Amino acid sequence: NAGVTQTPKFRVLKTGQSMTLLCAQDMNHEYMYWYRQDPGMGLRLIHYSVGEGTTAKGEVPDGYNVSRLKKQNFLLGLESAAPSQTSVYFCASSRGGASTGELFFGEGSRLTVL
Amino acid sequence: AQSVTQLGSHVSVSEGALVLLRCNYSSSVPPYLFWYVQYPNQGLQLLLKYTSAATLVKGINGFEAEFKKSETSFHLTKPSAHMSDAAEYFCAVRGSGTYKYIFGTGTRLKVLA
Repeated sequence: NAGVTQTPKFRVLKTGQSMTLLCAQDMNHEYMYWYRQDPGMGLRLIHYSVGEGTTAKGEVPDGYNVSRLKKQNFLLGLESAAPSQTSVYFCASSRGGASTGELFFGEGSRLTVL
Repeated sequence: AQSVTQLGSHVSVSEGALVLLRCNYSSSVPPYLFWYVQYPNQGLQLLLKYTSAATLVKGINGFEAEFKKSETSFHLTKPSAHMSDAAEYFCAVRGSGTYKYIFGTGTRLKVLA
């Protein structure tokens, strides 16, 4: 079972470059999330989606954009990368609706912005 | 608004000793509460969850947590630490009827031989 798959796993960017992180889930989950993890700050929610074609802002959305064109995919874009966006990014999904279900996480994407 | 506070960013215990990791939450609606574990260079995996059924919740690897509404706490315990328990632990809250899962800042557990 693949679960939640993130690509790429590692990436180095120069300031001002753009990139897209791809998250794919094969569990038919409604809800998908992007978090960033930084030392001492836990996981902070960037954006999330409660269904195909819908997205919403989380705690730290500035500098990021997202799209959910297909139910199984959730893309996170950086239009103009900054050193402050150096982080480990985690995608997660959950069943959604009235479910009390937990989040299922990918293995993370480590991004360094020089 | 929801929030989670984990007391102690680093906790050290001896192998065989009790593990106690603290989590306090704030939620304006009945909460669902979760504990996750993260091993180095991996994603997070679920240890256990509280969804208003039983206040004492048992999870994997011998961990358990007790929901105490009066104290707004959901502390994680394990009677006897094992070296393999060394990892980072995160408490998370989701309010019923909401979409967001909010995480604490994490507690790194070190197990001493």
